[in-house]
Amino acid sequence: NAGVTQTPKFRILKIGQSMTLQCAQDMNHNYMYWYRQDPGMGLKLIYYSVGAGITDKGEVPNGYNVSRSTTEDFPLRLELAAPSQTSVYFCASSYSRAGDTGELFFGEGSRLTVL
Amino acid sequence: AQKITQTQPGMFVQEKEAVTLDCTYDTSDQSYGLFWYKQPSSGEMIFLIYQGSYDEQNATEGRYSLNFQKARKSANLVISASQLGDSAMYFCAMRNTGGFKTIFGAGTRLFVKA
Repeated sequence: NAGVTQTPKFRILKIGQSMTLQCAQDMNHNYMYWYRQDPGMGLKLIYYSVGAGITDKGEVPNGYNVSRSTTEDFPLRLELAAPSQTSVYFCASSYSRAGDTGELFFGEGSRLTVL
Repeated sequence: AQKITQTQPGMFVQEKEAVTLDCTYDTSDQSYGLFWYKQPSSGEMIFLIYQGSYDEQNATEGRYSLNFQKARKSANLVISASQLGDSAMYFCAMRNTGGFKTIFGAGTRLFVKA
């Protein structure tokens, strides 16, 4: 089982460039999330989605955009990259069925450096 | 507003001994879930254990147990018989039942000494 797949795993951007981090899950999860983890810190929620066509902001949405056209895919777009966006990005998904714990299933992470 | 606090930036434990990692939380909701995740140096996030706010028994998963004290709003992780492979970052997290967002604490780095 693939689970949650993120690409790319590593990327270096120049200031002002844009890019898209891809995330796909094959578990038919309704809920999907993007988190960022700065060095030595916990995870901060950027955006989340509760189903195709529905997205909402998390704690740190500025400088990012998302879309959810299918249940499987939840890409994260960085516009006009800034050094403050240097971080490790995690995509995650979870079940939304009654009785589920809400445990998050994570991708392997994408390490982004903005120079 | 919800908040997770982990006050121990780093902890050391001798191999084969038990260790407790602290976690306190704040929420105004009555129904919620608490989680612990492990992040080894390789970077992936691994789910360890879950405790529901209405669960009467403390959760256990192998060598992991969650010491849940609802009145004190604490959800400490206990690792018994520590192994060298337990050296990692550990994150406490919370999600309100029926909610969408899981929030994380800052983490505790555990070092297991041989």
